Amino acid sequence: EAGVVQSPRYKIIEKKQPVAFWCNPISGHNTLYWYRQNLGQGPELLIRYENEEAVDDSQLPKDRFSAERLKGVDSTLKIQPAELGDSAVYLCASSSLLSNYEQYFGPGTRLTVT
Amino acid sequence: AQSVTQLGSHVSVSEGALVLLRCNYSSSVPPYLFWYVQYPNQGLQLLLKYTTGATLVKGINGFEAEFKKSETSFHLTKPSAHMSDAAEYFCAVSVPSGYSTLTFGKGTMLLVSP
Repeated sequence: EAGVVQSPRYKIIEKKQPVAFWCNPISGHNTLYWYRQNLGQGPELLIRYENEEAVDDSQLPKDRFSAERLKGVDSTLKIQPAELGDSAVYLCASSSLLSNYEQYFGPGTRLTVT
Repeated sequence: AQSVTQLGSHVSVSEGALVLLRCNYSSSVPPYLFWYVQYPNQGLQLLLKYTTGATLVKGINGFEAEFKKSETSFHLTKPSAHMSDAAEYFCAVSVPSGYSTLTFGKGTMLLVSP
């Protein structure tokens, strides 16, 4: 089966510019996660979706970050405007009851804000 | 709330030597525990997980880990290191309540020398 797909893999933008990341989860996985991984750190959850509903967005900086999963399949994470401190790897993961809660991760998008 | 502490940001071993990566957790309820591996510029791959049952868990690539409740530990071991094991390893904990989010440690970089 195809894994979690993310694009782009790399993005360089200037501060104050907008940026968007896209994720397509494994087919049939109803739970989707966005994590941020800062350099030298473990991933930290930004938002979790159950189908199209965001059930945990407590760590999402809502002043500049937004996310959507309109049809309960693929998802987009947006930052507007980007700040220098947003430079990180943004990871998408998906899971389902059938996978016994195991989360499958995509390769990530490495964002550099200059 | 859960937390994970990984002792040692870097561990160096010689090829063929024992690999021991340490992980201690904190959880108010019996946890689910995971070890993930991350190769450069790639997403995280699950090595092994403990949910319930046998406390010695075997994973992929010859790795295993033992859940010790009395020590709140879940150390990762491999009898004989291979050059291809060089990567970053993350320990993670979750609450066993359905689609629970993962709380990751800061990671340990494993370096393997010839």
